[in-house]
Amino acid sequence: NAGVTQTPKFRVLKTGQSMTLLCAQDMNHEYMYWYRQDPGMGLRLIHYSVGEGTTAKGEVPDGYNVSRLKKQNFLLGLESAAPSQTSVYFCASSYPVGGYTFGSGTRLTVV
Amino acid sequence: SQQGEEDPQALSIQEGENATMNCSYKTSINNLQWYRQNSGRGLVHLILIRSNEREKHSGRLRVTLDTSKKSSSLLITASRAADTASYFCATYWLEESNSGYALNFGKGTSLLVTP
Repeated sequence: NAGVTQTPKFRVLKTGQSMTLLCAQDMNHEYMYWYRQDPGMGLRLIHYSVGEGTTAKGEVPDGYNVSRLKKQNFLLGLESAAPSQTSVYFCASSYPVGGYTFGSGTRLTVV
Repeated sequence: SQQGEEDPQALSIQEGENATMNCSYKTSINNLQWYRQNSGRGLVHLILIRSNEREKHSGRLRVTLDTSKKSSSLLITASRAADTASYFCATYWLEESNSGYALNFGKGTSLLVTP
């Protein structure tokens, strides 16, 4: 019963580098989400997907891209990392309007 | 934009006491949910209460919802040191928000339970 798995757990990037965060879920959930969590800011939605092949922008989408080629996977890409993207990133999945299952997070530092 | 606002921001109690956290929101909702986050970990879903429900229980947790006041409360009875965590309320709006049809999270209440 893996639930939601995020890789990697930690990463340090230099400004301008790119990377992809992978999220995988094994619960057959239709919806998947990427949030970032910063001190004092709570969770803010970056992008989300309501099904395979579909994505939509959330509250803070700039500087990020996503893809959902398979129902169980949701990828978050940073094309040119900036220090402002230093954060903890959480992936989650759910049934429509249901409770979320979260991954354990990716701690990203951009120097 | 955060929809829910938790109150208080921080709460410190002793083991065995009850802990009450409140959440206020601004827009009509489909449901309201509470989550727990232990330090350095992902969020864990605790309970979901629909807009037509007024109270819900799960173990030592009791959640109330007052849609006329646009507020909810989470009560943890007989607190334990293991309850130390941050607690977040989150709402599904009836209308599309600037987070689409995803949950809108508050900034959380930090609960410390001392032995």
